[in-house]
Amino acid sequence: DVKVTQSSRYLVKRTGEKVFLECVQDMDHENMFWYRQDPGLGLRLIYFSYDVKMKEKGDIPEGYSVSREKKERFSLILESASTNQTSMYLCASGTPGQASYEQYFGPGTRLTVT
Amino acid sequence: AQTVTQSQPEMSVQEAETVTLSCTYDTSESDYYLFWYKQPPSRQMILVIRQEAYKQQNATENRFSVNFQKAAKSFSLKISDSQLGDAAMYFCAYGQMNRDDKIIFGKGTRLHILP
Repeated sequence: DVKVTQSSRYLVKRTGEKVFLECVQDMDHENMFWYRQDPGLGLRLIYFSYDVKMKEKGDIPEGYSVSREKKERFSLILESASTNQTSMYLCASGTPGQASYEQYFGPGTRLTVT
Repeated sequence: AQTVTQSQPEMSVQEAETVTLSCTYDTSESDYYLFWYKQPPSRQMILVIRQEAYKQQNATENRFSVNFQKAAKSFSLKISDSQLGDAAMYFCAYGQMNRDDKIIFGKGTRLHILP
């Protein structure tokens, strides 16, 4: 079974703190994604990566950065957390061009910034 | 730009009954994928069903089936014999057949199952 894990299920941080959210996948997927999920807004893509050290901006990259030093690991970084970044963060992975064309999701990290 | 619209924020259905969740999308492409994802409360998002746009036959997975109307850009999900475990947020999604593998999600429909 494909497994996508995220470093924390729940996280509480203070405004201005630097926050790291980590995601690890065990299926050798090339692509990895970070989404933000808010009620009434669905899933919005923050950043994605299609290879090690490669990154592409999604729809809402402002206030976030990412790092992908190894194929299996994709980190989301909040350089200076703000209250409007309180949200559920979902990581996903997948392999492009496969017939299955499926993204596999992690359990999510619920981040609260106070 | 492609968009996905789910017009029903919430729905309820009696256990064992059938329910249909609506989804429309907009694209100028001819080759693409459509998906329904399920997110149970406090659990991981999983793929329920997938439809390739070039296939005319509607996809079916056990009690889940879709009604894919390509010309109308409509992609509804039918759940037959609803079970308590079907209670979840359901997301309709659109994907292009290219390298970046990005998927565009609708805003979701929360489905309640009434015992």
